[in-house]
Amino acid sequence: DAMVIQNPRYQVTQFGKPVTLSCSQTLNHNVMYWYQQKSSQAPKLLFHYYDKDFNNEADTPDNFQSRRPNTSFCFLDIRSPGLGDAAMYLCATSPIGGGYEQYFGPGTRLTVT
Amino acid sequence: DQQVKQNSPSLSVQEGRISILNCDYTNSMFDYFLWYKKYPAEGPTFLISISSIKDKNEDGRFTVFLNKSAKHLSLHIVPSQPGDSAVYFCAAMRTSYGKLTFGQGTILTVHP
Repeated sequence: DAMVIQNPRYQVTQFGKPVTLSCSQTLNHNVMYWYQQKSSQAPKLLFHYYDKDFNNEADTPDNFQSRRPNTSFCFLDIRSPGLGDAAMYLCATSPIGGGYEQYFGPGTRLTVT
Repeated sequence: DQQVKQNSPSLSVQEGRISILNCDYTNSMFDYFLWYKKYPAEGPTFLISISSIKDKNEDGRFTVFLNKSAKHLSLHIVPSQPGDSAVYFCAAMRTSYGKLTFGQGTILTVHP
């Protein structure tokens, strides 16, 4: 089945220690998104790739960066995680010209100790 | 500034009855609206959507209603089933921008 895969599902990192979350997709969608969702809050868009074009949200901290080496993979790098970065990180994809729905992965739960 | 709001954090309904989940938005430029369902330990799953040129869209047990003048939409589930128990997110977008803005979600519990 075509899908969006996120690894790992649970990640524990230490305060200030860089961490990378990964997302892959078999849907061959052009657009990939990273969202941050804190407990009982709405998912918040961090950035997205429109093919190779990177689009950062204005209020996304510089501590968060992303890489998309090819169509299938996208990474979220947190350079120096703080306690406030503990959250669920959701990856999503959508096709260009194929409707407005986004397809989500299961998420990675990040804990910062 | 929360542009999409779901004011009910939770809703409890008896099996077989109607569930009505509500969502309000403030940005009049939004022209497409979606509902997502989320089970624990899974990502949100697309459920149903509606364009701003319509006021109703139906898919099986799920119907979404849009009232543009009130900037309000609702999701009706009839009849409700225990498997519908999940968190429901309302989302809105300006199709020219392609970005979703989500509400905070409503936890629906359907009791047998």
